[in-house]
Amino acid sequence: DAGITQSPRYKITETGRQVTLMCHQTWSHSYMFWYRQDLGHGLRLIYYSAAADITDKGEVPDGYVVSRSKTENFPLTLESATRSQTSVYFCASSESAERDTEAFFGQGTRLTVV
Amino acid sequence: GNSVTQMEGPVTLSEEAFLTINCTYTATGYPSLFWYVQYPGEGLQLLLKATKADDKGSNKGFEATYRKETTSFHLEKGSVQVSDSAVYFCALSDYGAAGNKLTFGGGTRVLVKP
Repeated sequence: DAGITQSPRYKITETGRQVTLMCHQTWSHSYMFWYRQDLGHGLRLIYYSAAADITDKGEVPDGYVVSRSKTENFPLTLESATRSQTSVYFCASSESAERDTEAFFGQGTRLTVV
Repeated sequence: GNSVTQMEGPVTLSEEAFLTINCTYTATGYPSLFWYVQYPGEGLQLLLKATKADDKGSNKGFEATYRKETTSFHLEKGSVQVSDSAVYFCALSDYGAAGNKLTFGGGTRVLVKP
């Protein structure tokens, strides 16, 4: 299917476990982003990527690792999950860095750390 | 740094009522401004945008005008429908070589009752 897809949609994990959230887009967009959504904070940027093998930190990167070996994939890994990482995670992509460029969002992954 | 402040919800309205959601921003440069909407169980999607002062973005009966002098981008709709029930996010872009990163407000939940 065309678009941007995230998996899994829902995940429950235990504190201290490693978990990876997947993101795949079919448009060959250069830019990809990971945001987390928490009540009262809106969405905050975790990491972003301008192209394959180019990644950089966003506003709240601690405890997360990303990679981008292929343009279409941008997985997010929580190395050792903590309860504060319970959140809804959104992956997004955009075609360019132009100021009016629209970002396209996946449906989100709801992660609960117990 | 950049920041976006929008009115807290929830906002509860009757069908055909007038809707206003206030949004103000702080930015170091000259950003583009966006409203994104999140329907229940879905990811965010672009509702409208504006890229320079006095621009008016519009879509689906919603409007917002880029007011540089008051650093505001208030969202309005003259007659809401039940289908407009959603969470609305004001956002600005920090554009450049690293991509069109978005800074979001906290979101405003709108509930329209028949």
